[in-house]
Parts: sequence; C-alpha cells; structure tokens
Amino acid sequence: DGGITQSPKYLFRKEGQNVTLSCEQNLNHDAMYWYRQDPGQGLRLIYYSQIVNDFQKGDIAEGYSVSREKKESFPLTVTSAQKNPTAFYLCASSIVAHSNQPQHFGDGTRLSIL
Amino acid sequence: GENVEQHPSTLSVQEGDSAVIKCTYSDSASNYFPWYKQELGKGPQLIIDIRSNVGEKKDQRIAVTLNKTAKHFSLHITETQPEDSAVYFCAASKGQAGTALIFGKGTTLSVSS
Repeated sequence: DGGITQSPKYLFRKEGQNVTLSCEQNLNHDAMYWYRQDPGQGLRLIYYSQIVNDFQKGDIAEGYSVSREKKESFPLTVTSAQKNPTAFYLCASSIVAHSNQPQHFGDGTRLSIL
Repeated sequence: GENVEQHPSTLSVQEGDSAVIKCTYSDSASNYFPWYKQELGKGPQLIIDIRSNVGEKKDQRIAVTLNKTAKHFSLHITETQPEDSAVYFCAASKGQAGTALIFGKGTTLSVSS
C-alpha cells in the first residue's frame, strides 16, 4: 500500500540535544511538507520541498532544519535552538507543489522534552 | 496573508442528527478549500475538497458548500454516526506554487448514541 511513514511515533529530547524525525513516502509525490500541531491549534507549516535538493521555509521555520536528498525522504531536525519543541509533528506530501493539490498526511511523531 | 476562522470549536450531536461546521477566509484569491478529519493519535485524512468554480460538492453523507462572495465555506454531515467523532479541520489556499494551505483551528465533533 502506498502511503507516508513517520518514525518514531514518540520521541523524547533532552535539553540542548538535536533530534531528527523521519518521513518516507512511496506515493511518488514531488512535494513534501512538515507541519507542527499544538493542542487546540491548527496545523502550522514549518518547511516544504517542491523537488529534490530544494526546500523553502514555512511560517515557523526557526529552530528547525530539513534536507531533501531523495524524492522519498524528507527528514526534519529539531535543533536545540527551538525553545518550545514539545508538539505533534506531521509530514505530508502532494503530487506536485501547488497548494491546490490534495495533501496526504502521515500519522505523526509526538516529541516531548525530558 | 490568508486567515481562516473555524466555528464552532466543539460540537456535540445525537446519532442521526446533522452537523455543520463553518469556516471563513480572508483572501479573496483563495480558490481551493479542503476538509480533513483527524482521529486521536492519527494524521489528518482528506475527506472532501472544493474548488472555487463550484458552489457545492457531495460525497455520500458529506457535503461542502462555498460562498465566494461572503468568503465562507461549510461542511455538512448528515445522519451522523459515532464513528464520525473526530477533529475536523478546514483549510484554504490560493493554489499557486510556493503558497501553503492555511488551516483553521479545528472543530471537535462528538456524536453520542
């Protein structure tokens, strides 16, 4: 079955530590996205990538970094510069990068601070 | 930039009743309006979407209406069932490369039997 796989499902970070969240898709989609979800809030865009080796900042990119070396993979690193990283992180993909194309989501990674 | 307001934040209905969730948007250039359903611990799932060239779209018990003049769109669920209980998000976009989906803050729907 085609889909988006996020791992791990739960992740704990110590103070001052960088952590990387994995996102893999086998839908052959060109575009991939990372969102952050906080309780009672909508989804806020962190980064997106329209094509391999290209990515752009979203609304809340500070303290995060990404790479897009392969079409299937779009890992997100939460750096120590992100002072409030506790949240539910969602990865999505769409067939092309136009925002009027349906986005398909993974089941998320919940990040907590130890 | 675009702003999407969603109401109500919580909605409780009896099984078999209808449920309506409303969203307003600020950017008249927006032309794509998807609705997502999110169950606990899962990612959002697209349930229906509408583009600005139509006023209504139906898929079995779910329908979406769009009023471009008033800049609002609504999700209608008829004959609700307990498995419809979830958080529902609306979103809007201008449909251009490099622009994002802007999401509402969500509506928690509870259907009691």
